[in-house]
Amino acid sequence: AQSVSQHNHHVILSEAASLELGCNYSYGGTVNLFWYVQYPGQHLQLLLKYFSGDPLVKGIKGFEAEFIKSKFSFNLRKPSVQWSDTAEYFCAVRGTYKYIFGTGTRLKVLA
Amino acid sequence: DVKVTQSSRYLVKRTGEKVFLECVQDMDHENMFWYRQDPGLGLRLIYFSYDVKMKEKGDIPEGYSVSREKKERFSLILESASTNQTSMYLCASNRDRVGQYFGPGTRLTVT
Repeated sequence: AQSVSQHNHHVILSEAASLELGCNYSYGGTVNLFWYVQYPGQHLQLLLKYFSGDPLVKGIKGFEAEFIKSKFSFNLRKPSVQWSDTAEYFCAVRGTYKYIFGTGTRLKVLA
Repeated sequence: DVKVTQSSRYLVKRTGEKVFLECVQDMDHENMFWYRQDPGLGLRLIYFSYDVKMKEKGDIPEGYSVSREKKERFSLILESASTNQTSMYLCASNRDRVGQYFGPGTRLTVT
């Protein structure tokens, strides 16, 4: 069965710290992978996506993610977080039509 | 910009009532989705539709039905609302394999 695991449920960082959020997936076919962000009181919005090609993908607001096929992972990174990155982050994998989401990681950045 | 709108931001209903949640997108997307979002559980797919009058069950369809009579509109129906359906309901749409565009959500409380 398809599944997505986000092992970090809550993360607290100080500004300027580096961020890495883990995402592991289970899917037998060609993967399309996504990271979404939900800022407090706002819509879910797409941060970045991977379909094929370069396994290191860059998204908006300085975020990047690396697809490691052998580890079934798609971890999200940012070298230096800001207070405005406080949000909930969701990893997702696309199946034939539908998308499977992880349970989310709540990031709090302390000013 | 793609816009996905949902009929209500907040809704309070009584147990046993029939509830309609409406979603409209303005970008001629083929695919539309209904999720519920609960703390610690992430987004769970209720139903999706890849064409007018087509619908597919997601992971948690029990207690829900949907209707898609026009391409731009996808309705979620709670036939007889129950307290365990108190949740945030998110509508999304997309075309092909790209990431999804989400609406602002409807926070439904069933008392």
